[in-house]
Amino acid sequence: EVQLVESGGGLVQPGGSLRLSCAASGFTFSNYWMSWVRQAPGKGLEWVANIKQDGSEESYVDSVKGRFTISRDNAKNSLYLQMNSLRAEDTAVYYCARERGLRYFENWGQGTLVTVSS
Amino acid sequence: EIVLTQSPGTLSLSPGERATLSCRASQSVSSSYLAWYQQKPGQAPRLLIYGASNRATGIPDRFSGSGSGTDFTLTISRLEPEDFAVYYCQQYGSSHSFTFGPGTKVDIK
Repeated sequence: EVQLVESGGGLVQPGGSLRLSCAASGFTFSNYWMSWVRQAPGKGLEWVANIKQDGSEESYVDSVKGRFTISRDNAKNSLYLQMNSLRAEDTAVYYCARERGLRYFENWGQGTLVTVSS
Repeated sequence: EIVLTQSPGTLSLSPGERATLSCRASQSVSSSYLAWYQQKPGQAPRLLIYGASNRATGIPDRFSGSGSGTDFTLTISRLEPEDFAVYYCQQYGSSHSFTFGPGTKVDIK
């Protein structure tokens, strides 16, 4: 069974940093593109970033470029999101998701809440 | 950047009724790159349909997807109590990026 378990969320002040983690199991992690998708409270879904199987390619939504960095450790079956210079508008539940063929998100974690507030 | 618009914003129906949800793209989208998700309160989204018309594993056949170009539809043939939720369409665009529609809430009339 595919499992994706996020961790690392919490309360952080504006301008602060946070690192999210996603532990993957039940599939060959190194074979898949992986993404982070977020959802602000009461709002819709927004794709944030993704990373190629071997970590050689990354893409980001414009609003986080230069502030967020996606990475992965295939030996540890783990995905990460380093978030710097956080803003109030980054407040959201962050989901880790397994991509399928660069077309859709086949599996999702349960999410971790990031709150940016003073 | 392709923008997805979903209508209606809210659909109020009774169990047993048919639900028709629309997703319109600002530019033509390859059918291969159009997907639908269901999200219930407090839960992660769940993949329903991929490639515009293919049901994901374990999805009941009362859910169907159709469409091409700029107009796509998700149909729920007979609403079950567990189908009342928010539904999102999603497309894969250039530069390995994705966009979602704003969602349609299906609630109980």
